[in-house]
Amino acid sequence: AQSVTQLDSHVSVSEGTPVLLRCNYSSSYSPSLFWYVQHPNKGLQLLLKYTSAATLVKGINGFEAEFKKSETSFHLTKPSAHMSDAAEYFCVVSEEGTYKYIFGTGTRLKVLA
Amino acid sequence: DTEVTQTPKHLVMGMTNKKSLKCEQHMGHRAMYWYKQKAKKPPELMFVYSYEKLSINESVPSRFSPECPNSSLLNLHLHALQPEDSALYLCASSPGTSVAWDTQYFGPGTRLTVL
Repeated sequence: AQSVTQLDSHVSVSEGTPVLLRCNYSSSYSPSLFWYVQHPNKGLQLLLKYTSAATLVKGINGFEAEFKKSETSFHLTKPSAHMSDAAEYFCVVSEEGTYKYIFGTGTRLKVLA
Repeated sequence: DTEVTQTPKHLVMGMTNKKSLKCEQHMGHRAMYWYKQKAKKPPELMFVYSYEKLSINESVPSRFSPECPNSSLLNLHLHALQPEDSALYLCASSPGTSVAWDTQYFGPGTRLTVL
């Protein structure tokens, strides 16, 4: 069975410094992996997705993630944080053979001025 | 255009009321989803429709009744809800053409409060 673990429930960074949000997955097959962002009282917005085409995936708003099979990781990074990046971030793996998503528990990113 | 719309944005209802949530997409997607999200938690899947047929029901209580009138519309009918049903209800859609690579696009949600 697939699972996903977000290693940090809260991350705080200063504006202009790099962002690293960590995600590890468990899957017996080559999964589809996603990062979504949710601002307060909003829906989820797709940041980026991995579907085996390339291990380094570029997303919107300067975010990117690298798929590392050997480490079963899919960490999200951004070189320079902006105040508008403050939100909840979810790492997601697709469940094999279904249309279901398996969500991580989320990481709340705080950006300090 | 990757927009999923949901109405209403906010809904307050009593435990004896009947109300409906509406979701619409015009991306030609053939899979649609209802999720429930409590504060500080990830979304929990409730229902999945694939080609207008209910394909997944995550053991949701019968006071929630989904309906998919056509490929663009998804409704969630609510009846005799409990205060613990208060949450953000999210709708999503996906192309529904490949189980392996499907990507879900979410609406903004309906904030439901049950008094």
